[in-house]
Amino acid sequence: SQTIHQWPATLVQPVGSPLSLECTVEGTSNPNLYWYRQAAGRGLQLLFYSVGIGQISSEVPQNLSASRPQDRQFILSSKKLLLSDSGFYLCAWSVGSDTQYFGPGTRLTVL
Amino acid sequence: AQSVAQPEDQVNVAEGNPLTVKCTYSVSGNPYLFWYVQYPNRGLQFLLKYITGDNLVKGSYGFEAEFNKSQTSFHLKKPSALVSDSALYFCAVRNSGYALNFGKGTSLLVTP
Repeated sequence: SQTIHQWPATLVQPVGSPLSLECTVEGTSNPNLYWYRQAAGRGLQLLFYSVGIGQISSEVPQNLSASRPQDRQFILSSKKLLLSDSGFYLCAWSVGSDTQYFGPGTRLTVL
Repeated sequence: AQSVAQPEDQVNVAEGNPLTVKCTYSVSGNPYLFWYVQYPNRGLQFLLKYITGDNLVKGSYGFEAEFNKSQTSFHLKKPSALVSDSALYFCAVRNSGYALNFGKGTSLLVTP
């Protein structure tokens, strides 16, 4: 069966520091991968998605970036965090455009 | 653009009573609709989806949803609510690419 991992689970970072969040998927090959952010409250916003190694599509311009160095690894990065980057970051995977399955999330607090 | 709306911020139900969480959609073409549930500080769990076929879709944990094309609705239902069903529920629609557009979520509170 397929599983998706995210780490770290929680992170507290100062403004201006770098960021690296990692997501890995097991049990499937060539998945589509996604990064969402859930701000305080509820709304989920798609940040990036990838249909293959090295292929990244950005949905929202911001100071975040994503990379996919391996088939089942998706990384979210920032060179300098802003206060507004605080939130709950969710990684998801799918086979093609079928159902998306979400990871446990990373709670990021920028102080 | 494909979108969904969840008109209720919160739904309160007594345990054992039927529950309904509402969702309406606005799409061009055939809608691909999903329901997810989120427990506090956890990721989203997939409940069910409508792609095509039978208008009544059965999903996980006893949930079902009814696709109504004339009313452009996809309401989530359960015949008998449990306290453990208390959570945040999201309706979503797949857009023309790969992304999901989510509603703002409905908080369900089931009281004993």
